[in-house]
Amino acid sequence: NAGVTQTPKFQVLKTGQSMTLQCAQDMNHNSMYWYRQDPGMGLRLIYYSASEGTTDKGEVPNGYNVSRLNKREFSLRLESAAPSQTSVYFCASSWVSDRPSNYGYTFGSGTRLTVV
Amino acid sequence: GIQVEQSPPDLILQEGANSTLRCNFSDSVNNLQWFHQNPWGQLINLFYIPSGTKQNGRLSATTVATERYSLLYISSSQTTDSGVYFCAVERKSNFGNEKLTFGTGTRLTIIP
Repeated sequence: NAGVTQTPKFQVLKTGQSMTLQCAQDMNHNSMYWYRQDPGMGLRLIYYSASEGTTDKGEVPNGYNVSRLNKREFSLRLESAAPSQTSVYFCASSWVSDRPSNYGYTFGSGTRLTVV
Repeated sequence: GIQVEQSPPDLILQEGANSTLRCNFSDSVNNLQWFHQNPWGQLINLFYIPSGTKQNGRLSATTVATERYSLLYISSSQTTDSGVYFCAVERKSNFGNEKLTFGTGTRLTIIP
C-alpha cells in the first residue's frame, strides 16, 4: 500500500529499555518527520530530515535519536526509555509542488508506546 | 516560538449542521495546514492554505494572513466528520524555514 508505514503499532517497554520505531514511505518524498502526540495536545516535532543523510532536531529531541539511512526510511530510537516518553508517535513525510503551489503531508498510522 | 490557538476546543453538532473552526496565530507564516484526526487516530491533510480560500467538497478554508487567522468551514456535517481538527503553521524566519507548530485542536462530534 502506498503511503507511510510505521512499525510496531503498539509497544510496552520497561523503564531503561531501548527500542527503535521504524518508518518507511514509498512516495519518493524528500522530507520526513517524527512527532509525538500526548493527550489533549497537538503534535510536537521530535526530529526531522529534509533529505537523505540529513537530520535536525525539532521541538522535543531529548531522549531520542534518529537515522535516515536512505530516502525511504527514517527510524526513531529510544536509548533508555522513560515513563515521560509514553505517547503516540507519528511518522510523516511531506511534498511540495510549484504548479499549482501546494504542500502536503502524509502521516503513518502511529505507534502507541507505553513505558512502565 | 509561534503560538497557535484554536477555537472552540469542543463542538457538538447535529448531523446536517454547518460549523466554523478558527485558528489564530501569533506571527507571519509561510505555511498553514489543516488536518483531520479521525476517532481511530489517523491524520489526514485537508488543506495547504497560507492565504486565500480553497474548497474541497463540503469543506472550505480561508486564511487572512494579514490578520493572522484561518477558518475551516464544514457544511452539512456528517458523522464521518467527527474527530479532532488541527491547524498547524510554519513561521517565516530570517534563519530559514521553521517546521510546523500545531495547535491543540478542535474536537468535533457529530450526532446522528
